[in-house]
Amino acid sequence: DAKTTQPNSMESNEEEPVHLPCNHSTISGTDYIHWYRQLPSQGPEYVIHGLTSNVNNRMASLAIAEDRKSSTLILHRATLRDAAVYYCILIYGQNFVFGPGTRLSVLP
Amino acid sequence: DAGITQSPRHKVTETGTPVTLRCHQTENHRYMYWYRQDPGHGLRLIHYSYGVKDTDKGEVSDGYSVSRSKTEDFLLTLESATSSQTSVYFCAISEFVGQIGGSPLHFGNGTRLTVT
Repeated sequence: DAKTTQPNSMESNEEEPVHLPCNHSTISGTDYIHWYRQLPSQGPEYVIHGLTSNVNNRMASLAIAEDRKSSTLILHRATLRDAAVYYCILIYGQNFVFGPGTRLSVLP
Repeated sequence: DAGITQSPRHKVTETGTPVTLRCHQTENHRYMYWYRQDPGHGLRLIHYSYGVKDTDKGEVSDGYSVSRSKTEDFLLTLESATSSQTSVYFCAISEFVGQIGGSPLHFGNGTRLTVT
């Protein structure tokens, strides 16, 4: 299985940057890296995805290591609304395989 | 937001009864997925579809069947509901852009199913 490893939980202070790491040492050369988040009582929400180059969008930035065996989701200024479970996933076959994710707490 | 509608949003049913959950999309995306989410297990794939009448099993497909007769609709059926199928069910859709994973996965709001 395409497998990712993330910390179980992280804490951040409001208005500070947050760096959420993900290891994916088994990634193949053509696998996209996706990040999603799930707020309490809601469905998962797309955050960002990339293949080789770093990516930016209105929600976050994705930094991909040169060997592609790890990536980091960067929230530039955490807000209380960013408290969620963040999932880093790879594609296995034709499927998006979700792991347990990182629970991010944001402290006021 | 991607146009995905799941129905019903909530359902309570008795053990042994058949149940069908519906996912409807207005995005004309090729791929559709059914996941279930349970405490301690995260999101697990039940079945997915890669086109009309083209479906395949996920990691927890036992006790479930699916059908996709139109691009926009993906149905999940529990032939004989059991208490272990009490869960929150999410539908998701994705385009195919070059390869799977080239386009985001978009989720519906979920169906909370309780089997008593």
